[in-house]
Amino acid sequence: GDSVTQMEGPVTLSEEAFLTINCTYTATGYPSLFWYVQYPGEGLQLLLKATKADDKGSNKGFEATYRKETTSFHLEKGSVQVSDSAVYFCALSRGNEKLTFGTGTRLTIIP
Amino acid sequence: KAGVTQTPRYLIKTRGQQVTLSCSPISGHRSVSWYQQTPGQGLQFLFEYFSETQRNKGNFPGRFSGRQFSNSRSEMNVSTLELGDSALYLCASSTSGGYNEQFFGPGTRLTVL
Repeated sequence: GDSVTQMEGPVTLSEEAFLTINCTYTATGYPSLFWYVQYPGEGLQLLLKATKADDKGSNKGFEATYRKETTSFHLEKGSVQVSDSAVYFCALSRGNEKLTFGTGTRLTIIP
Repeated sequence: KAGVTQTPRYLIKTRGQQVTLSCSPISGHRSVSWYQQTPGQGLQFLFEYFSETQRNKGNFPGRFSGRQFSNSRSEMNVSTLELGDSALYLCASSTSGGYNEQFFGPGTRLTVL
C-alpha cells in the first residue's frame, strides 16, 4: 500500500538557519504530494503541494520539488524564523481524497 | 469565509460509552473526510463522504461510523469506546475531491477513561 517516510524528529535549529526535512514515498501511479503544518492546538494547514513530477511547490519561503526518480519531496527553507516552529507532515494522495501521512517532524526554532 | 468547525472541541468519556462528533465544512464544500491522530499511529484516514455517500473508507473497525447530511455537515460516531480511541479527531473538507486542497478543522480531542 501507499506509505510516506519522514525524517525523524525533533529538529532544533537556530533562527536564520537552513532547513531540510526529508520525505520519501511509496505509491503506485502518480500521486500528488503535500506538506502540511500543524501549529500547537490547531488543525493541519496546507503549506504547499505538487501534482506531477518535477513540479516545485512553494509558499512562505518553503519549497519542495517532486522527484519521481528518487520518490522524494523534501521540504526546504533558506532562513527559518521562530514562527516556523510547528509539526510538519508530508503526505500523498492518489486522487481519491484519502491522504496518507508521514509520522510528522517537530521543528523548534530558537532565537 | 468561515473555516471548518468541529464540535465539541474536547470530550471526556468512559469505556463502553458511545460518542458523536460533528463537523461543519466550509460553505460550498461537498466532501468531508475524517482522520484520527494519535502519538503512536500518527494520522490515519477514517472515511470520506461526498454528497451524503461514503466514498472511501480506511481500516478501522465497524465501531467507527459516520454520515453526511444534505447540507454537507458530517457526524462521526464511535460506539463501545475503548481506551485506545483516545485521540484528536480531525475533519477536513474540500470542494469535490481528487487533488483539491483539503481544509482541516481544529479537531475534537477525545479522552476515554
